[in-house]
Amino acid sequence: ETGVTQTPRHLVMGMTNKKSLKCEQHLGHNAMYWYKQSAKKPLELMFVYSLEERVENNSVPSRFSPECPNSSHLFLHLHTLQPEDSALYLCASSPGQGGNQPQHFGDGTRLSIL
Amino acid sequence: RKEVEQDPGPFNVPEGATVAFNCTYSNSASQSFFWYRQDCRKEPKLLMSVYSSGNEDGRFTAQLNRASQYISLLIRDSKLSDSATYLCVVTLNQAGTALIFGKGTTLSVSS
Repeated sequence: ETGVTQTPRHLVMGMTNKKSLKCEQHLGHNAMYWYKQSAKKPLELMFVYSLEERVENNSVPSRFSPECPNSSHLFLHLHTLQPEDSALYLCASSPGQGGNQPQHFGDGTRLSIL
Repeated sequence: RKEVEQDPGPFNVPEGATVAFNCTYSNSASQSFFWYRQDCRKEPKLLMSVYSSGNEDGRFTAQLNRASQYISLLIRDSKLSDSATYLCVVTLNQAGTALIFGKGTTLSVSS
């Protein structure tokens, strides 16, 4: 068990659909992250939350909308996505924001946009 | 110029071999450095942090050269289970919220 759980594991959706990805961490961490991993590209950091406040938004299109209701849960709301948004979306958590603190990743949600 | 650059490989080595991976980063203000390992279709997992003085964990040795902006990972006595993609990761700020991942180097160890 990774301590960071993501659901669903796989998601296929049309461009007009609205869906949400869920991440839950059981590690007592204070910081949570969303990443996108596309084929042949490096992992891209999308959003960072620390103590439920968004502290980083790396120029992500508004069709991706994060939500962090508490320090254990993180959502990524999706609407009117494009085919190029098909990727593996990884959630991670770390004890705090410190730069030297490693991150623990979930298994990811593999998203396919039709 | 890419922010974190790695040789993608693949590196194909026999069991027992010693293999070294290199990584260069472009931002001289980079704060922290890590190596992560990612197995096929799995999530990345921390392999080791990289410290200025160099550090070792069993068969794995990591080195950092801040002057050259260069990080390395040495794997001795390769095992079949070492086959994976190795990701070089750099954080750009003290808070650790600005992480940059390299594309990764793929290692395949064969018997």
